[in-house]
Amino acid sequence: GDSVTQMEGPVTLSEEAFLTINCTYTATGYPSLFWYVQYPGEGLQLLLKATKADDKGSNKGFEATYRKETTSFHLEKGSVQVSDSAVYFCALYGSGNTGKLIFGQGTTLQVKP
Amino acid sequence: DSGVTQTPKHLITATGQRVTLRCSPRSGDLSVYWYQQSLDQGLQFLIHYYNGEERAKGNILERFSAQQFPDLHSELNLSSLELGDSALYFCASSVVSGGAYNEQFFGPGTRLTVL
Repeated sequence: GDSVTQMEGPVTLSEEAFLTINCTYTATGYPSLFWYVQYPGEGLQLLLKATKADDKGSNKGFEATYRKETTSFHLEKGSVQVSDSAVYFCALYGSGNTGKLIFGQGTTLQVKP
Repeated sequence: DSGVTQTPKHLITATGQRVTLRCSPRSGDLSVYWYQQSLDQGLQFLIHYYNGEERAKGNILERFSAQQFPDLHSELNLSSLELGDSALYFCASSVVSGGAYNEQFFGPGTRLTVL
């Protein structure tokens, strides 16, 4: 079945460091891909998305490119801030057009000043 | 603020009890989804309703049930509660059902603690 695998955390970085969080997927066809962010004590917010191969999603300095050949959707940011500390989830729409989101296990990012 | 509201924010109850979680979708959204977030299982899809009809079921236990009412709010009923049901329950909503461009907006969640 469809699945998402993220790199294990926690990831600890200093402010202004470069961020990469790896995400790979297994799915039938070409699913839409998403990154969600969960700040402490809050619900999930959509960070960015890509709906077809080679699409690049971007928002708030974060970027991710839909790579069909490597079935990956890695999240990157050139310079992280303390306020980026959160849990990041990679997700895809499951097959069958059910609207079901399948999430990776989440990666905790801690940015230190 | 996503526009999706969930009540209550926190719920503490005992094993064997029954609780109801409520979700109001964003204005205009016809689809409601329920997800469970726990430490051991991560974020798991439970069930999806579209305009009052059940559209898809995920890893939802038989002790759990849901419905979507004519005003489009949804309720998730959890009965015969067990310690392992302690989790954060999220509701999400979207305009339509499925589709590559269908963005889901999440509520703040209800934290259920079963003692």
